[in-house]
Amino acid sequence: QKEVEQDPGPLSVPEGAIVSLNCTYSNSAFQYFMWYRQYSRKGPELLMYTYSSGNKEDGRFTAQVDKSSKYISLFIRDSQPSDSATYLCAMRKGQGAQKLVFGQGTRLTINP
Amino acid sequence: GAVVSQHPSWVICKSGTSVKIECRSLDFQATTMFWYRQFPKQSLMLMATSNEGSKATYEQGVEKDKFLINHASLTLSTLTVTSAHPEDSSFYICSAKNTGGSYEQYFGPGTRLTVT
Repeated sequence: QKEVEQDPGPLSVPEGAIVSLNCTYSNSAFQYFMWYRQYSRKGPELLMYTYSSGNKEDGRFTAQVDKSSKYISLFIRDSQPSDSATYLCAMRKGQGAQKLVFGQGTRLTINP
Repeated sequence: GAVVSQHPSWVICKSGTSVKIECRSLDFQATTMFWYRQFPKQSLMLMATSNEGSKATYEQGVEKDKFLINHASLTLSTLTVTSAHPEDSSFYICSAKNTGGSYEQYFGPGTRLTVT
């Protein structure tokens, strides 16, 4: 079993829809949770960063962490064609921990 | 802020030759940099962790003699793929940990290596 599971998709939605992306994980030691966006043939770009359980909002993006269920989500409101990319969840243990563990990534397409 | 560059962005080399990829943190200091490998439609696989002034720590299954990492300064790490073979063709991405900021990793744009 992988430490972090993420549905690779592909996921295709119409412009303006609310997109829900999620990951599950098995190691309860993870405390820091990130979402990265990666366009084709580019490096990942940090979108959201959260610590422990709770919600965090930044513009059209909302990240949720439920540590009791070992489940994290990223919501995109008013989705735009420019949001079409691969979204990777990542997580790590304590603040001094170096290693990020990534999900497989979900390929998202927003159709105009 | 938190910009990481990689050079070259794309390189083609012949089998048996070596190729060096540079990773630079442009506007912050990074005592730690990471090298990842990514195959098409797959996630990032951590190859090694590079600490400035010390030897890199390689992940299990990564050949340290084939993938040479040098982190000579707080803003530069290099990955040298020695005696490259076609199976080394991949997308190589570095990241840098901003020790002066949020401690998160910021990624470079990646280097596409094709070995013929």
